[in-house]
Order: sequence, then structure tokens, then C-alpha cells
Amino acid sequence: GNSVTQMEGPVTLSEEAFLTINCTYTATGYPSLFWYVQYPGEGLQLLLKATKADDKGSNKGFEATYRKETTSFHLEKGSVQVSDSAVYFCALTLNPSGSARQLTFGSGTQLTVLP
Amino acid sequence: NAGVTQTPKFQVLKTGQSMTLQCAQDMNHNSMYWYRQDPGMGLRLIYYSASEGTTDKGEVPNGYNVSRLNKREFSLRLESAAPSQTSVYFCASSGGRTDTQYFGPGTRLTVL
Repeated sequence: GNSVTQMEGPVTLSEEAFLTINCTYTATGYPSLFWYVQYPGEGLQLLLKATKADDKGSNKGFEATYRKETTSFHLEKGSVQVSDSAVYFCALTLNPSGSARQLTFGSGTQLTVLP
Repeated sequence: NAGVTQTPKFQVLKTGQSMTLQCAQDMNHNSMYWYRQDPGMGLRLIYYSASEGTTDKGEVPNGYNVSRLNKREFSLRLESAAPSQTSVYFCASSGGRTDTQYFGPGTRLTVL
């Protein structure tokens, strides 16, 4: 079956530090890959996505590159801020069943950024 | 533009009680989903509806039923709640050519 494995947290960094959250996947086929972010007390929001190999998704200073050869989609940011403190989820979806895209999520990584 | 809304935000039930979680979206999306979020396990799909009038089981459907009332609304029902159903429940929707799912704020359910 399909699965997503994320770096276990929690991760604690100082402001302006470099962030990497590792994500690898197993899928039968060619998935689209996503990073979602969940701020305290809120639902999930799409952070970035990539739909094919070597695509780079980027948003709000975060980046992730779809690496088919290593089945990875690691999240990076060069300089984190306190406001980036949240839970980050890696996810994938395969070809839709009808028009529905079923997402498979990783377990999430809690990030805390200290001032 | 409200996006995806869910009611209630919090609920406490006793074992064996029933309840319905409501979800509505105003983005004219065809597809809607129900997930549960448990610590250390990410989100798991309970049921989904690819389009109005259709529903299908996800990864963890046991103990739940759903109704796609119309294009906007997708409800999740617990007929006889169990402590194992204590969780945070999220509704989501998607549509058009994008893979992106849009999530509601969640319902935190505790079953005693």
C-alpha cells in the first residue's frame, strides 16, 4: 500500500536557524506530494505541493523538491521564525478514484521555534 | 468566503450515545472527505464522497456512517460512540483540476 514516513519530532530550533524535515514515501504509481501545516487550534492548510519528479514546490520561504530516485520530499527553510511554530504533515495522493483525491498522511512533525 | 465549516467545535459524549458531525463547504467542490486525527498517527480517512450522491469507505470506516446531503454538505454520524472514537475530526473538500484539499477547523470529540 501507499505510505508516508516523516522525521519524528518534536523539533526545536532557535529563530533564524535552518530547518529540514525529512519525508519519504512508498507508492504504487506516480503520486502528487504535499506539505500541509497545522497551526495551534486550527485545521490543516496547504503549504506547498509538487506533482511530478524534479518539481520544486515553494511558499512562504519553504521549499521541497520531488525526488523520484530517492522517493523523498524533504521540507526546508533557510531561516525560521517564531511564527513558523506548527505541526507539519507530508502527504501524497495518487490518480484519483473518480474525482476524489484520497490523501495519505505522514504522522506529522511538531516544530517549535524559540526567540 | 467561509471555505469549509464544521459544527460543533467540541463535544463530549458518553459511551453508547449517538451524534452527527456537520460539515459544509461554499467552494462548489465535488468531493468531500472525513478524517480523524490521533496523536502520532497523522490523519486517517474515514469516508469520502467523490460527488453528490456517492460515498465510499476510507481507511477506518468502522463505527461511522456518512450522508452527502447535497453538494455543499457532508455529515458524519456515530451511532453508538465508543472511547476509541475520541479524536479530532476534520472535514475537507476538493474540486476542479487541483489535487488540493481544503480543511475545516475540526471537531474535538471526547467519548467517556
